[in-house]
Amino acid sequence: SQELEQSPQSLIVQEGKNLTINCTSSKTLYGLYWYKQKYGEGLIFLMMLQKGGEEKSHEKITAKLDEKKQQSSLHITASQPSHAGIYLCGAVPLNNNDMRFGAGTRLTVKP
Amino acid sequence: GAVVSQHPSRVICKSGTSVKIECRSLDFQATTMFWYRQFPKQSLMLMATSNEGSKATYEQGVEKDKFLINHASLTLSTLTVTSAHPEDSSFYICSARDPGTGLTEAFFGQGTRLTVV
Repeated sequence: SQELEQSPQSLIVQEGKNLTINCTSSKTLYGLYWYKQKYGEGLIFLMMLQKGGEEKSHEKITAKLDEKKQQSSLHITASQPSHAGIYLCGAVPLNNNDMRFGAGTRLTVKP
Repeated sequence: GAVVSQHPSRVICKSGTSVKIECRSLDFQATTMFWYRQFPKQSLMLMATSNEGSKATYEQGVEKDKFLINHASLTLSTLTVTSAHPEDSSFYICSARDPGTGLTEAFFGQGTRLTVV
């Protein structure tokens, strides 16, 4: 089955600092998704990456997918308290249709 | 954009009773929907893949007789937790992708917090 390693498990940063969350797959991916969640609530779609080397940005969040399509990073610039939450990477493997998730990264941003 | 609606958002039931959770795709037809479960401080774990007009595919360790899935139409999948017990208390969330062409965004329902007392 698809194994997704997400790191770090938790992260505490001072407001204004940059941070990076990583997601590594044991298999080549068909697509990689990033979501934000507050526990017990629905998921907020952030970005989807499909092509090797692809990079997307939205406001202060940038996501990248490596050329081999096995590793992705999510970078937040000048973090704010509103960025706090649980960040999940989800992957759709080749020749499959379901999506599986990494363990999640709990982000706390201190004012 | 496409929306997936899940109902109810919260439910409390007595041990031994059954609970049905609905997942609807509001503006697209979903031949496949996915059901996930999330325990406190853990990630989403795929329970089963719901296929319209055929039997659901369950992940290893998920009891198909306990978690009944029905995908009777292209816009509705239901998950029924039968003979619920306190250990079934969890956050259940469904997902669907608009088939379209190629890989698309996966849309998630709002989730259902189930508490079994």
